[in-house]
Amino acid sequence: DGGITQSPKYLFRKEGQNVTLSCEQNLNHDAMYWYRQDPGQGLRLIYYSQIVNDFQKGDIAEGYSVSREKKESFPLTVTSAQKNPTAFYLCASSMVPRGGLNEQFFGPGTRLTVL
Amino acid sequence: GIQVEQSPPDLILQEGANSTLRCNFSDSVNNLQWFHQNPWGQLINLFYIPSGTKQNGRLSATTVATERYSLLYISSSQTTDSGVYFCAVAPQGGSEKLVFGKGTKLTVNP
Repeated sequence: DGGITQSPKYLFRKEGQNVTLSCEQNLNHDAMYWYRQDPGQGLRLIYYSQIVNDFQKGDIAEGYSVSREKKESFPLTVTSAQKNPTAFYLCASSMVPRGGLNEQFFGPGTRLTVL
Repeated sequence: GIQVEQSPPDLILQEGANSTLRCNFSDSVNNLQWFHQNPWGQLINLFYIPSGTKQNGRLSATTVATERYSLLYISSSQTTDSGVYFCAVAPQGGSEKLVFGKGTKLTVNP
C-alpha cells in the first residue's frame, strides 16, 4: 500500500524524557512536514523538510528536533524542553511543487500524553 | 502572517440536509485544501482547490481567489459526514507550509 505511516499510535512519556515519533512515506514525495494539534484547534507547523539533509523551523519549533537522513523518513523528537508536549502529532508529505501542484497528504497521527 | 477564518464553528444537521461551510483568508494563496477529520483523528483530503470549482459526489467546493474565500458544499448529508472540516492555505511567496483554520465541527443526526 502506498501511504504515510506513523508510529506509535499512542505514546506515554514521563516528564523529563525525550521521545521520538516515527513518520515514513512510500509515495516518493520530496517534502515532509510535522504538525501539532491541540484539542478544538487547527494544526500548527513544527518543522518541514523539502529535501534530504535539510529542514526548516515552522511556527512552533521550540522544544522539538528533527532529522531527514532518508527521503522516506522524517522522525520528530519531542525533548524535555517542550513545555506542553501533550498533543496529537500529524506527519504529512507532498511533492516539491512544480507548476504549483503541492497537495499535502497526512498520516494517521500519534497521540502523545505526558504523565 | 496570513489569517484563516472558518464559519460556522459548529453546525448541527438532520440527515438529508444540505450545508455550506466557508473559509476566508487574508492574503493571496498558492494552495488551498479542504480536509475532513474523522473521529479517529485521520485527516482525509477532500479537495485541492486554489481556484475554481470541483465536485466529488455529494461534495463540491468553490474558491474565489480574487475575493479570498472558499466554500465547501455538502448535499444530502449522512451521519458519516460528521467530524471536523478544515480549510488550509499556503500563502503566495512563502514556502509550501499550510496554515490551518480552526475548523467547522459538523454533527449529522439520524
